[in-house]
Amino acid sequence: AQKVTQAQTEISVVEKEDVTLDCVYETRDTTYYLFWYKQPPSGELVFLIRRNSFDEQNEISGRYSWNFQKSTSSFNFTITASQVVDSAVYFCALSEETGANNLFFGTGTRLTVIP
Amino acid sequence: DTAVSQTPKYLVTQMGNDKSIKCEQNLGHDTMYWYKQDSKKFLKIMFSYNNKELIINETVPNRFSPKSPDKAHLNLHINSLELGDSAVYFCASSQDPVAGGPGNEQFFGPGTRLTVL
Repeated sequence: AQKVTQAQTEISVVEKEDVTLDCVYETRDTTYYLFWYKQPPSGELVFLIRRNSFDEQNEISGRYSWNFQKSTSSFNFTITASQVVDSAVYFCALSEETGANNLFFGTGTRLTVIP
Repeated sequence: DTAVSQTPKYLVTQMGNDKSIKCEQNLGHDTMYWYKQDSKKFLKIMFSYNNKELIINETVPNRFSPKSPDKAHLNLHINSLELGDSAVYFCASSQDPVAGGPGNEQFFGPGTRLTVL
């Protein structure tokens, strides 16, 4: 069965610090997709990134970067030079080729950036 | 332009009542979903639906039923509401995973906070 683990329940950093949010997944499918979503205090879910299982290239988008390592079944998310606006709950999620595109979410990591 | 909209945003009701939450998407997507987010922020799939198939998470009580009048709408009807149904319910949509390939990005609505008293 599929599973997504975000071991860090809450993280607090001081503004401008870098922070990495961990995500470990389990799946039996060889084709799968990994996602990160952000849920700010306003409550909506904001899509950040999608990665398929055949693309292990790391990605950078502004202050955000993602490290996908199949060998350790991890898809970690790093925010560089954090800002107060980064304060949110971040969810890692998995969808499987055989899973009708349903998203299976981790339990989320609450990030608080202190000014 | 709102891509995925839900109404109402807040819903407060008594135990035992029947209620519906509406969801509409204007993205031309073929597949829609309902997720439940509990008080601990845990998000769980409830249903996925396109014009061909309804897939139900087996843990969802049959008091919950999705109703789709057309491709752009997937409403959630809940019978005999219970205290444990209190949660935030999110609607989402994506391109058809069969036609467009699995792993399509899902676009989420703003959520409906349901409180059962």
